[in-house]
Amino acid sequence: QSALTQPASVSGSPGQSITISCTGTSSDVGGYNYVSWYQQHPGKAPKLMIYDVSKRPSGVSNRFSGSKSGNTASLTISGLQAEDEADYYCSSYTSSSLWVFGGGTKLTVL
Amino acid sequence: QITLKESGPTLVKPTQTLTLTCTFSGFSLSTSGVGVGWIRQPPGKALEWLALIYWNDDKRYSPSLKSRLTITKDTSKNQVVLTMTNMDPVDTATYYCAHTPYSAFDYWGQGTLVTVSS
Repeated sequence: QSALTQPASVSGSPGQSITISCTGTSSDVGGYNYVSWYQQHPGKAPKLMIYDVSKRPSGVSNRFSGSKSGNTASLTISGLQAEDEADYYCSSYTSSSLWVFGGGTKLTVL
Repeated sequence: QITLKESGPTLVKPTQTLTLTCTFSGFSLSTSGVGVGWIRQPPGKALEWLALIYWNDDKRYSPSLKSRLTITKDTSKNQVVLTMTNMDPVDTATYYCAHTPYSAFDYWGQGTLVTVSS
């Protein structure tokens, strides 16, 4: 199985909105509503931000939202804040009952 | 609350077998739908899913590493063990274990850095 495709980096200014894409295939992202997104600050463990494409765990800001169209999922962060600067990873369940992660996207808040 | 913690050697030699233990609390691995997975991250690189074991002892492995991995659980001890054979310097990474209620990894351990070097 191949890693999901994410842009290497995105950037935005405080207060702006950004979107990170995550492209897979019909065997993973496109075939299941089990896409999740993780935030990782340097030296820290990943933190679940979005699950089941668009659901937010308790405690995660509503500035974070998720969606999916075909084989591409997206994470949108609105009202960017300095604390949002981190690496973001998508993940999906696959047709082989396995899991796959994306290559990660570094978000820079300008 | 749910917590997980990885333990094991910080340094292994090439060709050796790595054994990592994930000790958890706050949930039972005998509860329907629950699983514990292992994910690793080489320094400066992306997350890579390795293996997962479910409450019913169903086991799943990354196809690229399947021949080298074994995952087991000890429900009475609240532990999940991952073994990886024939370690190589490219296996140097932080290894995480994580809880899954089925569709995502919602709780993660702090990770343990394993260096492969002679």
